[in-house]
Amino acid sequence: GAVVSQHPSRVICKSGTSVKIECRSLDFQATTMFWYRQFPKKSLMLMATSNEGSKATYEQGVEKDKFLINHASLTLSTLTVTSAHPEDSSFYICSARDRGGATEAFFGQGTRLTVV
Amino acid sequence: QKEVEQDPGPLSVPEGAIVSLNCTYSNSAFQYFMWYRQYSRKGPELLMYTYSSGNKEDGRFTAQVDKSSKYISLFIRDSQPSDSATYLCAMSADSWGKFQFGAGTQVVVTP
Repeated sequence: GAVVSQHPSRVICKSGTSVKIECRSLDFQATTMFWYRQFPKKSLMLMATSNEGSKATYEQGVEKDKFLINHASLTLSTLTVTSAHPEDSSFYICSARDRGGATEAFFGQGTRLTVV
Repeated sequence: QKEVEQDPGPLSVPEGAIVSLNCTYSNSAFQYFMWYRQYSRKGPELLMYTYSSGNKEDGRFTAQVDKSSKYISLFIRDSQPSDSATYLCAMSADSWGKFQFGAGTQVVVTP
């Protein structure tokens, strides 16, 4: 299957700082990328959908100014958690879909964010 | 009512048994159906993908979709302890939009 690379896999940051997470599609062009948050032993919670070259569409209840999403190229989307707080600690996962090819969605490895 | 219902388990089976997983859904527009396997603290890994109704087999895995009943299944034959993971169903109405996920079923295969 197609490869989606997410970086970093783990990050610890101090309260009030910002953290950027990258999601790259390595062997296909991802016209659409999705960002999820997952709490322990829970399913994936969709945060936002990003389409290359346009603004992200956020799910209800997700703060746009706190979770900044940029999808500047067909292979890269970034999620920036701004002014992080301990309650933002979670597992963040991206996935990508290729509108012009396979219709499956492939996931990155996930990023475990811990805010101290 | 959730759009996608999936029993969270845990489902415990002995090694070698058949694992049977299923999801039901309410949105008749769903056409694309996927099953993912997720190990603890890892991203989901795509196992099976099916478009519309029918069966699909890949090695020890068989996926079935019954759109008339709004019901999808995943069977794992000759289960191994390495199959112990959480299995998520996902579905989408179009080829580029967002997915709806089930809650995930935790499977434990005991040696």
